[in-house]
Amino acid sequence: ILNVEQSPQSLHVQEGDSTNFTCSFPSSNFYALHWYRWETAKSPEALFVMTLNGDEKKKGRISATLNTKEGYSYLYIKGSQPEDSATYLCASQANTGFQKLVFGTGTRLLVSP
Amino acid sequence: DVKVTQSSRYLVKRTGEKVFLECVQDMDHENMFWYRQDPGLGLRLIYFSYDVKMKEKGDIPEGYSVSREKKERFSLILESASTNQTSMYLCASGQANEQYFGPGTRLTVT
Repeated sequence: ILNVEQSPQSLHVQEGDSTNFTCSFPSSNFYALHWYRWETAKSPEALFVMTLNGDEKKKGRISATLNTKEGYSYLYIKGSQPEDSATYLCASQANTGFQKLVFGTGTRLLVSP
Repeated sequence: DVKVTQSSRYLVKRTGEKVFLECVQDMDHENMFWYRQDPGLGLRLIYFSYDVKMKEKGDIPEGYSVSREKKERFSLILESASTNQTSMYLCASGQANEQYFGPGTRLTVT
């Protein structure tokens, strides 16, 4: 089983703060890195899928970077808003031919107005 | 939009009961997955299927079985529910690099 780790476990910021989270994953047999946002009582929603070393993706105020050589990805949120409050999950997909994801435990973000 | 639906949001069952969790997707995806989520642990893969009648064990298959008779439907079966199977169960479907999740079923086994 691949070991995917996320930090911090939880984060409480004020509206307008910028924040970032880390996801580390084994770099051997790497195929893709996924980021999801999971709001309470909703389905996890895909944010990004990243495959290439040095990849950087952006969606509104949220962006992510990928380093496959050292096995880490950062997720950044610029100017956090209360609606950004959610658990952010990352998952690593290995090059096994199956679409099998191994998830980290998530970072729980709370943004206070 | 992709839609993945699960038969129940909340379910309470007794120890020893046979439990069926149903999942339906409307995007003709080849792959479907069952995960469970427990506090302090990441989503863990129970079983997945890459085609009708095909199934593969995930990381924690013990105590579970699955059925995929039609492409759009993937069922998770707890043959004899136990209290350690109290959890949030999420279904997903996908292909290529994308997986789409259902809203989850919170199962309590008493």
